[in-house]
Amino acid sequence: QQPVQSPQAVILREGEDAVINCSSSKALYSVHWYRQKHGEAPVFLMILLKGGEQKGHEKISASFNEKKQQSSLYLTASQLSYSGTYFCGTPGEYGNDYKLSFGAGTTVTVRA
Amino acid sequence: GAGVSQSPRYKVAKRGQDVALRCDPISGHVSLFWYQQALGQGPEFLTYFQNEAQLDKSGLPSDRFFAERPEGSVSTLKIQRTQQEDSAVYLCASSYGTGGNEQFFGPGTRLTVL
Repeated sequence: QQPVQSPQAVILREGEDAVINCSSSKALYSVHWYRQKHGEAPVFLMILLKGGEQKGHEKISASFNEKKQQSSLYLTASQLSYSGTYFCGTPGEYGNDYKLSFGAGTTVTVRA
Repeated sequence: GAGVSQSPRYKVAKRGQDVALRCDPISGHVSLFWYQQALGQGPEFLTYFQNEAQLDKSGLPSDRFFAERPEGSVSTLKIQRTQQEDSAVYLCASSYGTGGNEQFFGPGTRLTVL
């Protein structure tokens, strides 16, 4: 089942922060995050695993709360290069964990 | 090194025509995936290969869709008798291992069916 992302879109000025949320109706043991710029391939950012650990990529970090079945992506001190659509992906059951279900995406626009 | 490549990048087909979309994964990657991405939506899983074996084709929308990876490297997604609802971007991804690893995506093929 497809995870739900919020907000659908966010507009930031350079240097501002933003949070993107991803929630699932099913139990999760990991969450994947990707960013896609217009007309380009989605690019892997990070995988969050069980344990509530946070990971980071540049000044982009994320958390994962498996009890609440949700993950959040934090864009800190945003840069122009952060613009794009962010997707969370949740894997299938054990044995089908290759099968990612992606949310509809959150479009981030960073302005100078 | 070279990433995942797809060809053609753009394809326009008349309704009823057959099309073939090619994916060249990263060399040595065991897993290969095909996704369909509608405008404004996230990628939707179509099928999964582990080497030459198609282990999961549960996402293929109809029997008009067929995928193969005969030698465990290059893959082709074929759509027979295309319909307007097939218009979308078709993304290919590969990953080194099996299971829920990082996936490397290609730039996609934008298919428009008139």
